[in-house]
Amino acid sequence: KAGVTQTPRYLIKTRGQQVTLSCSPISGHRSVSWYQQTPGQGLQFLFEYFSETQRNKGNFPGRFSGRQFSNSRSEMNVSTLELGDSALYLCASTAGQANEKLFFGSGTQLSVL
Amino acid sequence: AQSVTQLDSQVPVFEEAPVELRCNYSSSVSVYLFWYVQYPNQGLQLLLKYLSGSTLVESINGFEAEFNKSQTSFHLRKPSVHISDTAEYFCAVSDMGAAGNKLTFGGGTRVLVKP
Repeated sequence: KAGVTQTPRYLIKTRGQQVTLSCSPISGHRSVSWYQQTPGQGLQFLFEYFSETQRNKGNFPGRFSGRQFSNSRSEMNVSTLELGDSALYLCASTAGQANEKLFFGSGTQLSVL
Repeated sequence: AQSVTQLDSQVPVFEEAPVELRCNYSSSVSVYLFWYVQYPNQGLQLLLKYLSGSTLVESINGFEAEFNKSQTSFHLRKPSVHISDTAEYFCAVSDMGAAGNKLTFGGGTRVLVKP
């Protein structure tokens, strides 16, 4: 089985722009979660989608949003980028039950200039 | 609300020596506990987890962790490390009563294994 695929691998944007990141989960997985990883704040949960519905949400401003498609692929969008949004964004998938093993992608490294 | 504290941000250790990574958590509800490992330029991989049963859990590559409810700890140990164990290790918790998968991570501990 192919693993979790995140695209693009690297992204450079400027302040005020918006960005869309993509995540393709492992085949058959219906849950997709997103995490932000920074040196200062560590790993922080953004949101989880299951069967196209947001099931859990972290404490991020409304500029961060996501969605999931019928094929379980997920996108997250960040609008009005700020310098502090520079981070590694990790996506993880599971079959969907609670407290399962998360399978992580390699992440998208976003740099905001 | 939950929080996870990893007491050591970096742990240098010589090859074949033992290592212990400390993890303490705070939560108003019962939690499940996890250790994930992140190798350079990769995503995280599950090392081991505690859901219920024996408080000592083991991974396939020689790591073990012990859940101590009274001390709210879940320390990770390995009796003899290899160069390939060089990575960052993250302790995490999730709410036992919650639906889905929402993990609260600690700040991570970088393990550098020296020859």
